[in-house]
Amino acid sequence: GAGVSQSPRYKVAKRGQDVALRCDPISGHVSLFWYQQALGQGPEFLTYFQNEAQLDKSGLPSDRFFAERPEGSVSTLKIQRTQQEDSAVYLCASSLEEATRNEQFFGPGTRLTVL
Amino acid sequence: SQQGEEDPQALSIQEGENATMNCSYKTSINNLQWYRQNSGRGLVHLILIRSNEREKHSGRLRVTLDTSKKSSSLLITASRAADTASYFCAWTRSGSARQLTFGSGTQLTVLP
Repeated sequence: GAGVSQSPRYKVAKRGQDVALRCDPISGHVSLFWYQQALGQGPEFLTYFQNEAQLDKSGLPSDRFFAERPEGSVSTLKIQRTQQEDSAVYLCASSLEEATRNEQFFGPGTRLTVL
Repeated sequence: SQQGEEDPQALSIQEGENATMNCSYKTSINNLQWYRQNSGRGLVHLILIRSNEREKHSGRLRVTLDTSKKSSSLLITASRAADTASYFCAWTRSGSARQLTFGSGTQLTVLP
Protein backbone atom coordinates (compact mmCIF):
# COMPACT_ATOMS: atom_id res chain seq x y z
CA GLY A 1 0.00 0.00 0.00
CA ALA A 2 0.87 3.64 -0.22
CA GLY A 3 1.18 4.23 3.50
CA VAL A 4 1.24 2.64 6.92
CA SER A 5 -2.01 0.88 7.73
CA GLN A 6 -3.33 -0.22 11.08
CA SER A 7 -6.21 -2.42 12.13
CA PRO A 8 -8.62 -2.30 13.71
CA ARG A 9 -9.16 1.45 13.65
CA TYR A 10 -11.31 1.26 16.77
CA LYS A 11 -11.37 -1.36 19.51
CA VAL A 12 -13.55 -1.50 22.57
CA ALA A 13 -12.51 -4.03 25.19
CA LYS A 14 -13.83 -4.98 28.58
CA ARG A 15 -11.33 -4.67 31.39
CA GLY A 16 -9.34 -7.87 31.61
CA GLN A 17 -9.64 -8.81 27.94
CA ASP A 18 -6.62 -9.33 25.71
CA VAL A 19 -6.31 -7.26 22.53
CA ALA A 20 -4.09 -7.45 19.46
CA LEU A 21 -3.35 -4.45 17.28
CA ARG A 22 -1.88 -4.85 13.82
CA CYS A 23 0.46 -2.62 11.84
CA ASP A 24 1.37 -2.95 8.16
CA PRO A 25 4.36 -0.70 7.49
CA ILE A 26 5.33 0.77 4.16
CA SER A 27 6.88 -1.97 2.03
CA GLY A 28 10.65 -2.06 2.37
CA HIS A 29 10.80 0.04 5.50
CA VAL A 30 13.34 -1.41 7.89
CA SER A 31 12.39 0.42 11.06
CA LEU A 32 9.04 0.12 12.82
CA PHE A 33 7.88 1.95 15.93
CA TRP A 34 4.89 1.79 18.25
CA TYR A 35 3.72 4.86 20.15
CA GLN A 36 0.91 5.45 22.64
CA GLN A 37 -1.00 8.72 22.54
CA ALA A 38 -3.27 9.73 25.39
CA LEU A 39 -6.02 12.24 24.74
CA GLY A 40 -4.68 15.76 24.30
CA GLN A 41 -1.03 14.74 24.52
CA GLY A 42 1.83 13.98 22.21
CA PRO A 43 2.68 10.37 21.38
CA GLU A 44 5.01 8.47 23.68
CA PHE A 45 7.41 5.79 22.52
CA LEU A 46 6.66 2.17 23.30
CA THR A 47 9.00 -0.03 21.26
CA TYR A 48 11.21 -0.18 18.14
CA PHE A 49 12.05 -2.89 15.62
CA GLN A 50 14.78 -3.04 13.05
CA ASN A 51 13.61 -5.73 10.66
CA GLU A 52 12.49 -8.58 12.93
CA ALA A 53 14.71 -7.60 15.85
CA GLN A 54 13.14 -5.72 18.73
CA LEU A 55 15.98 -3.36 19.60
CA ASP A 56 14.27 -1.20 22.18
CA LYS A 57 11.25 -1.94 24.34
CA SER A 58 12.02 0.52 27.07
CA GLY A 59 8.75 2.39 26.60
CA LEU A 60 6.42 -0.54 27.21
CA PRO A 61 4.54 0.41 30.39
CA SER A 62 4.23 -3.06 31.85
CA ASP A 63 4.79 -6.73 31.11
CA ARG A 64 1.18 -6.88 29.90
CA PHE A 65 2.39 -5.22 26.70
CA PHE A 66 4.12 -7.37 24.11
CA ALA A 67 5.11 -6.61 20.51
CA GLU A 68 6.44 -8.77 17.72
CA ARG A 69 7.48 -8.50 14.09
CA PRO A 70 8.39 -12.09 13.23
CA GLU A 71 9.11 -11.69 9.51
CA GLY A 72 10.34 -8.13 9.56
CA SER A 73 7.23 -6.62 8.00
CA VAL A 74 3.84 -6.78 9.77
CA SER A 75 3.91 -6.09 13.50
CA THR A 76 1.45 -6.88 16.26
CA LEU A 77 1.12 -5.12 19.59
CA LYS A 78 -0.62 -7.26 22.16
CA ILE A 79 -2.01 -6.04 25.43
CA GLN A 80 -3.00 -8.66 27.97
CA ARG A 81 -5.55 -8.17 30.74
CA THR A 82 -6.40 -4.67 29.58
CA GLN A 83 -6.91 -1.94 32.15
CA GLN A 84 -8.76 1.36 31.85
CA GLU A 85 -5.46 3.26 31.82
CA ASP A 86 -4.58 1.46 28.59
CA SER A 87 -7.24 3.49 26.79
CA ALA A 88 -5.38 5.54 24.19
CA VAL A 89 -4.59 5.76 20.51
CA TYR A 90 -1.84 3.36 19.50
CA LEU A 91 0.21 4.65 16.59
CA CYS A 92 2.55 2.68 14.39
CA ALA A 93 5.27 4.34 12.31
CA SER A 94 7.83 3.07 9.85
CA SER A 95 11.03 4.49 8.47
CA LEU A 96 13.07 3.58 5.41
CA GLU A 97 16.57 3.04 6.76
CA GLU A 98 18.45 4.18 9.78
CA ALA A 99 15.77 5.98 11.71
CA THR A 100 18.02 8.67 13.07
CA ARG A 101 18.28 10.16 9.59
CA ASN A 102 14.86 9.58 8.14
CA GLU A 103 11.43 10.82 8.96
CA GLN A 104 8.91 8.39 10.33
CA PHE A 105 5.63 7.78 8.51
CA PHE A 106 2.67 7.21 10.76
CA GLY A 107 -0.42 5.09 10.37
CA PRO A 108 -3.89 6.35 11.32
CA GLY A 109 -3.76 4.66 14.70
CA THR A 110 -5.98 2.29 16.63
CA ARG A 111 -8.18 3.93 19.22
CA LEU A 112 -8.50 1.53 22.16
CA THR A 113 -11.21 2.08 24.74
CA VAL A 114 -11.20 -0.14 27.79
CA LEU A 115 -14.47 -0.18 29.70
CA SER B 1 6.04 11.93 30.28
CA GLN B 2 6.93 14.67 27.83
CA GLN B 3 10.51 15.82 27.67
CA GLY B 4 9.77 19.06 25.94
CA GLU B 5 7.33 21.87 25.81
CA GLU B 6 5.43 23.59 23.07
CA ASP B 7 3.86 26.98 23.28
CA PRO B 8 1.34 28.23 22.94
CA GLN B 9 -0.85 25.27 23.89
CA ALA B 10 -3.58 26.75 21.72
CA LEU B 11 -3.55 29.43 19.05
CA SER B 12 -6.48 30.96 17.20
CA ILE B 13 -5.91 33.24 14.21
CA GLN B 14 -7.73 34.59 11.17
CA GLU B 15 -7.20 33.17 7.72
CA GLY B 16 -4.31 34.91 6.01
CA GLU B 17 -2.40 35.62 9.21
CA ASN B 18 0.86 33.93 10.14
CA ALA B 19 1.05 31.34 12.91
CA THR B 20 4.17 30.75 15.00
CA MET B 21 4.63 27.78 17.30
CA ASN B 22 7.60 27.22 19.56
CA CYS B 23 9.19 24.04 20.83
CA SER B 24 11.79 23.49 23.53
CA TYR B 25 13.61 20.29 24.36
CA LYS B 26 16.10 19.19 26.97
CA THR B 27 18.68 16.90 25.36
CA SER B 28 21.19 16.92 22.53
CA ILE B 29 19.49 15.93 19.31
CA ASN B 30 20.23 14.47 15.88
CA ASN B 31 17.33 16.16 14.17
CA LEU B 32 14.01 17.77 14.89
CA GLN B 33 10.81 17.22 12.98
CA TRP B 34 7.40 18.83 12.88
CA TYR B 35 4.19 16.87 12.45
CA ARG B 36 0.56 17.82 11.94
CA GLN B 37 -2.33 15.84 13.32
CA ASN B 38 -5.92 16.42 12.35
CA SER B 39 -8.55 15.38 14.87
CA GLY B 40 -8.83 11.61 15.04
CA ARG B 41 -6.15 11.06 12.43
CA GLY B 42 -2.53 9.95 12.35
CA LEU B 43 0.47 12.23 12.22
CA VAL B 44 1.59 13.77 8.95
CA HIS B 45 5.26 14.63 8.57
CA LEU B 46 5.83 18.28 7.63
CA ILE B 47 9.53 19.04 7.75
CA LEU B 48 12.80 17.78 9.20
CA ILE B 49 15.71 19.97 10.25
CA ARG B 50 19.07 18.48 11.14
CA SER B 51 21.07 19.57 14.16
CA ASN B 52 23.64 21.34 11.96
CA GLU B 53 20.99 23.38 10.16
CA ARG B 54 19.56 26.65 11.41
CA GLU B 55 16.64 27.29 9.10
CA LYS B 56 14.62 25.38 6.56
CA HIS B 57 11.73 26.25 4.26
CA SER B 58 9.05 24.14 2.64
CA GLY B 59 6.25 25.95 0.87
CA ARG B 60 4.46 28.10 3.45
CA LEU B 61 6.44 26.52 6.29
CA ARG B 62 9.58 27.92 7.85
CA VAL B 63 11.39 26.09 10.62
CA THR B 64 14.25 27.42 12.71
CA LEU B 65 16.49 25.53 15.09
CA ASP B 66 18.68 26.98 17.82
CA THR B 67 20.62 24.15 19.41
CA SER B 68 22.29 26.49 21.91
CA LYS B 69 18.87 27.36 23.31
CA LYS B 70 17.45 23.89 22.63
CA SER B 71 14.50 25.41 20.83
CA SER B 72 12.76 25.37 17.47
CA SER B 73 9.96 27.35 15.90
CA LEU B 74 7.49 26.59 13.14
CA LEU B 75 6.06 29.47 11.14
CA ILE B 76 3.08 28.95 8.87
CA THR B 77 2.57 31.91 6.57
CA ALA B 78 -0.71 33.01 4.99
CA SER B 79 -2.67 30.48 7.01
CA ARG B 80 -5.76 28.73 5.67
CA ALA B 81 -8.73 27.16 7.41
CA ALA B 82 -7.36 23.78 6.29
CA ASP B 83 -4.28 24.38 8.46
CA THR B 84 -6.46 23.86 11.54
CA ALA B 85 -4.86 20.94 13.38
CA SER B 86 -2.54 20.03 16.23
CA TYR B 87 1.13 20.55 15.55
CA PHE B 88 3.84 18.57 17.30
CA CYS B 89 7.58 18.91 17.33
CA ALA B 90 9.54 15.71 17.77
CA TRP B 91 13.22 14.89 17.93
CA THR B 92 15.65 12.02 17.94
CA ARG B 93 18.17 12.23 20.73
CA SER B 94 21.89 12.08 20.02
CA GLY B 95 23.45 8.68 20.38
CA SER B 96 21.80 5.40 19.66
CA ALA B 97 18.20 6.41 20.38
CA ARG B 98 16.05 6.07 17.29
CA GLN B 99 12.62 6.80 18.65
CA LEU B 100 10.97 10.18 18.46
CA THR B 101 10.34 12.19 21.60
CA PHE B 102 7.37 14.49 21.16
CA GLY B 103 6.49 17.89 22.52
CA SER B 104 3.15 18.58 24.09
CA GLY B 105 1.62 20.04 20.93
CA THR B 106 -0.05 23.26 19.84
CA GLN B 107 -3.70 23.28 18.79
CA LEU B 108 -4.02 25.74 15.90
CA THR B 109 -7.40 27.04 14.83
CA VAL B 110 -7.59 29.14 11.68
CA LEU B 111 -10.87 31.01 11.41
CA PRO B 112 -12.27 31.63 7.94
